[in-house]
Order: sequence, then C-alpha cells, then structure tokens
Amino acid sequence: DVKVTQSSRYLVKRTGEKVFLECVQDMDHENMFWYRQDPGLGLRLIYFSYDVKMKEKGDIPEGYSVSREKKERFSLILESASTNQTSMYLCASSFATAATNEKLFFGSGTQLSVL
Amino acid sequence: GENVEQHPSTLSVQEGDSAVIKCTYSDSASNYFPWYKQELGKRPQLIIDIRSNVGEKKDQRIAVTLNKTAKHFSLHITETQPEDSAVYFCAARNTDKLIFGTGTRLQVFP
Repeated sequence: DVKVTQSSRYLVKRTGEKVFLECVQDMDHENMFWYRQDPGLGLRLIYFSYDVKMKEKGDIPEGYSVSREKKERFSLILESASTNQTSMYLCASSFATAATNEKLFFGSGTQLSVL
Repeated sequence: GENVEQHPSTLSVQEGDSAVIKCTYSDSASNYFPWYKQELGKRPQLIIDIRSNVGEKKDQRIAVTLNKTAKHFSLHITETQPEDSAVYFCAARNTDKLIFGTGTRLQVFP
C-alpha cells in the first residue's frame, strides 16, 4: 500500500511563527501536492511539484512556500503564520501524469491552528 | 484557469434510495474527471474516474456520466447504504492541475 505520511496530525502555532509541514511518500511518486481543506470551500491547491527541486504555484500560493530537496519529501512552509491560515492541510502524491495512472494518494492531514 | 462547481452541498437520502451529485467545469480542455470520497476523519480516496473520451462508467453501485458539450459530469449512487455517508468531491484535470469542487455531504438514513 502506498503511504503518504504527514509529520503532525495536530499543530498549534502563534501568529508570526514560521511553520513547517512535512510530507513523505514511499512509492517513488514523481508528483506531490499540497492542498488546504476548509468547510464549504473544498480542496484548494496551494503548490505542487513534478520533480526534485521543481515547484509550481497552485491556486492559492500567497503566504506559502515549498521545498522539495528529495523525491520522497515535500515540505510546506508558512513564512509568517496568520490566523487565516488555520486549516486542514492535505498532502498528496501520484505517479507522473499518464493515461492510466493519475490517482492521488492523500496523507491523513495536519489540522493547523494559528492563534 | 479551470473552475469546478459542485451541487448540492448537502444531500440526505433514505437507505436504498439513489443519490446524484452534479459538477460543472469551465475549461473545455479538461480531460480527466475523478470522484473522491472522504469519510469522517479520514483522508479522501478515489472511488471512480472518467476520461473525456468516455460518456459513462460504472462500478457496482456507483456510476459517473460525462457530458462534454455541456461541460458537466455527475456521480450516481444506487441502493444507498449507511456506509455511503461521507463527503464527496468531484475534480477536473486541466493540463497539469487537478481542481476540486467544494464537496457534497451525503447522509444516508437507515
């Protein structure tokens, strides 16, 4: 079974803190994604990466950055956390885009509260 | 960019009835349309998907239909059971991004 592991299930931080959310996958997937999930807004794409050291902005990248130094690890960074970044953060991975292999495997999520 | 709208936001049905969730997309170049199910407290999981060269796909009690001309696709669940209760997300892929709808909370009452 594919495992996508997020380092923390719950996280509480203070406004202005720098926050790191870590995600590791064990299936040698090329693609990795960060989404945030908010009630009534669904899953919104923050950043994604198709290769090591490569990153692309999603639909809501403001206030976030990412790092992908190794293929299996994709980190989401909140440079200066704000209360409107309180949310459930979901990491996902998949094989490279192909005709038959586009399934996203999600991590269990990190519920971040910024006070 | 792509925009995906999903309706209804909540849906309550009696066990054994059918449930239908509808999504529309904006970019005619989108060519892949998956559906994810998220049970309470769990991660989203793919339940069915359809590509733009197919009009309908079935897998036991679930089916997805796609109307490319109208740019909408739907999830159909027949003979609903309490374990179908969850939040369902549709999505559309355009070039390199998968854009999700806002979700439908389905409740199946015994």
